[in-house]
Order: sequence, then structure tokens, then C-alpha cells
Amino acid sequence: NAGVTQTPKFQVLKTGQSMTLQCAQDMNHNSMYWYRQDPGMGLRLIYYSASEGTTDKGEVPNGYNVSRLNKREFSLRLESAAPSQTSVYFCASRKGVGTDGYTFGSGTRLTVV
Amino acid sequence: RKEVEQDPGPFNVPEGATVAFNCTYSNSASQSFFWYRQDCRKEPKLLMSVYSSGNEDGRFTAQLNRASQYISLLIRDSKLSDSATYLCVVNSRAGGFKTIFGAGTRLFVKA
Repeated sequence: NAGVTQTPKFQVLKTGQSMTLQCAQDMNHNSMYWYRQDPGMGLRLIYYSASEGTTDKGEVPNGYNVSRLNKREFSLRLESAAPSQTSVYFCASRKGVGTDGYTFGSGTRLTVV
Repeated sequence: RKEVEQDPGPFNVPEGATVAFNCTYSNSASQSFFWYRQDCRKEPKLLMSVYSSGNEDGRFTAQLNRASQYISLLIRDSKLSDSATYLCVVNSRAGGFKTIFGAGTRLFVKA
């Protein structure tokens, strides 16, 4: 039972570089999410996909793009990395939208220098 | 005021102690509530859902007080392995579903 798999686990980027964070779930969940976690601020939603074929902005979408490639996969792209994007990124999925709990991936620690 | 607020702690308690965390939320339209546990440098994991009638899972008890808009988590007979950060999560339905995470309360259980 892999659950939610994220890659890479660690990444260091230079300002202006781009990268894509990959996420896949094998639980047949409909909705998928990308969060960032910064000290003292709790998790903040970047983008989400309520179902295959749809994506929507969350609380902090600027500087990011997403793709829901199929029901299993949801990627997050940083087009031009900035130091303010240094954070821990978590992908998550859940079966429905409102009343279900999340299953999180193990996270990506990103540093932008 | 934050939509979901938790005492950041840390709470330092000896093994065997009972410890309680509270979490307050500001949106009266909030519908579902959860407690997650997050170990250092790990992902959050669902600990338990919080129901209006309260619920218990072993040493853990969660309660909801809609009138005062807070949820609580009680841990009895604390173990060293309970050391973690506990996140309060609130789902609201106001113009679409919205999930808000609290910043977490750190717990250290000492031998």
C-alpha cells in the first residue's frame, strides 16, 4: 500500500530555475492537493483538483502551476523559483471533498538560493 | 484573528500524564473537524475525526463544542511515542469547501 508518493524528497534550486514536483496516489481518490508548510503558519493550500480534469487555485497559488495528468497523478510546477518558495511541500489526496480526511505524501523539502 | 487557532506550546509532560489541547475556530459554518499528528520532519497523519457526540480511540478522546466553537483532544497516560505536533483541521462549507489547518501544538513527553 504505497498511498501517496512524492518525488523528489529534497531539492535545491537557484533563483529563476524551474522544476516539477511529482505526486501519485494509488487509493482511487478523486481529489488531490498541494500544500506548503512553513514554520508557525500551518499548511497552506496552493492548488487542488477536486476531480480528474479540474484544477483550482488555493490560498497561495502565485508562482505555481499544476497539472492533473490523470486520476492518479497531480504535479506542481515552479516556473521561476524564488527564495520565498523555500518550504516543505506536501501532496495529499482524499476520497471526497468535505468530510474525508487527507492522506499525505512524505513531502519535498525545497530550498531556493 | 486566524480562522483556526491553537496554542503552539510546547507542552512538556512526564510519561503517564494526561494532557489536553484546545483548538478554536472562527467560522460558524464549519462542518467537519479532525486532529492530525505530525512527527518531526514527517507528513501529517490523520489521528481522528471529531464528531458532535465526541469520540474516543484508546487513550485519545476528541470533543467538539459548537456553541463555543472549539474542539479538544485529550491524551491519557502519555507515552514517549506521543511526542509530536498535533494539528487541528477544520472544514467549512461557505462558497465551496474550505479546509483550514491550525499551526499545531507541540507535545514533548519525558521519561
